[in-house]
Amino acid sequence: SAVISQKPSRDICQRGTSLTIQCQVDSQVTMMFWYRQQPGQSLTLIATANQGSEATYESGFVIDKFPISRPNLTFSTLTVSNMSPEDSSIYLCSVRPVLAGGNHEQFFGPGTRLTVL
Amino acid sequence: DAKTTQPPSMDCAEGRAANLPCNHSTISGNEYVYWYRQIHSQGPQYIIHGLKNNETNEMASLIITEDRKSSTLILPHATLRDTAVYYCIVRVASGTYKYIFGTGTRLKVLA
Repeated sequence: SAVISQKPSRDICQRGTSLTIQCQVDSQVTMMFWYRQQPGQSLTLIATANQGSEATYESGFVIDKFPISRPNLTFSTLTVSNMSPEDSSIYLCSVRPVLAGGNHEQFFGPGTRLTVL
Repeated sequence: DAKTTQPPSMDCAEGRAANLPCNHSTISGNEYVYWYRQIHSQGPQYIIHGLKNNETNEMASLIITEDRKSSTLILPHATLRDTAVYYCIVRVASGTYKYIFGTGTRLKVLA
């Protein structure tokens, strides 16, 4: 298994500002993913964070709004830029361990609860 | 889009078995079925997964129909702590490995 921590755990921000969320894993992982969960909704995949290259974004999400970094095999950041109240969500990091078989499960962090005023 | 459909909510009496259905009629031969649950906005927790055979672990059992178009997650003796949203996901065991979540089933275990 992998132990995942996210910082901050929650934040309240003003519209027009940006927030960077950190995801730290206690072991090396091959793949890291960022999800958004809007209030009362299911999880939506934002992007796959690729180590050493640009993130791969899902339809509806763009790099200018959600820039992602992945400097090594245990750490990634997601920035929510120029925030509006519609960005109020829980943001979750998910990882796939190194040496995992093809059908291995993924692990999720505790999430960052963001409120934009 | 998600490849699974689940009932939006279910109730179960404490101590009884909870049977949560999932439809994945368009599943491909190389796609696995995964089940996760999310308790009160925490990060989703892995429960079980399978390809075509039934699976059992310490948390639950997974029954997959022979045609693989549907499955059922069974919590054999539900407790109040099993109250959560349960997600059924299908995913290929190669390539991007990404999960596409459906709407899930909100299970409420009643005392």
